[in-house]
Amino acid sequence: GAVVSQHPSWVICKSGTSVKIECRSLDFQATTMFWYRQFPKQSLMLMATSNEGSKATYEQGVEKDKFLINHASLTLSTLTVTSAHPEDSSFYICSARGVLDYEQYFGPGTRLTVT
Amino acid sequence: GQNIDQPTEMTATEGAIVQINCTYQTSGFNGLFWYQQHAGEAPTFLSYNVLDGLEEKGRFSSFLSRSKGYSYLLLKELQMKDSASYLCAVRDGDYKLSFGAGTTVTVRA
Repeated sequence: GAVVSQHPSWVICKSGTSVKIECRSLDFQATTMFWYRQFPKQSLMLMATSNEGSKATYEQGVEKDKFLINHASLTLSTLTVTSAHPEDSSFYICSARGVLDYEQYFGPGTRLTVT
Repeated sequence: GQNIDQPTEMTATEGAIVQINCTYQTSGFNGLFWYQQHAGEAPTFLSYNVLDGLEEKGRFSSFLSRSKGYSYLLLKELQMKDSASYLCAVRDGDYKLSFGAGTTVTVRA
């Protein structure tokens, strides 16, 4: 099956710094990728939809200037958490839309801890 | 928006059957998905329903009634490795998924 990777798998950063998370589709092209956030014991919350070659579409309540998304190629989308704060500590998961109608492949997730 | 409800926790014995219910109220419907998620890992796809009825895939089956806004995931012949969180998700017309809070299933020996 299709594989989506994320890098890094975990990261610890200091408050005020920025962190970039990469999401790659390894063996297929993904024109659409999604970014989710999951707090402990809670469900996945969609943050934004990333479309190759165009601006990301953010969900209500998600600050687009804080969570910068770039989908520069058909296999790579990046999420940059700018000026991170402890409340941004979470599990960030990306997914890529596949060819078949029901397909959406998830990456392994990135655990961000802001100290 | 989407409102998706599923039980928080369920416990069952190895070899038994467990049914996880999911009810939803949505502003748009384009399919219902079930995912399995182990702690600290990403969700893995289990099933997809877009039409009413039962979809069977090995030990897992999923049912959908669109008129009732209701789905269930049936896990048969439970194994210890089935201990995980099970997420019900509804897709809208823009292919966005909205997830329920997840049901933690614990399988006891």
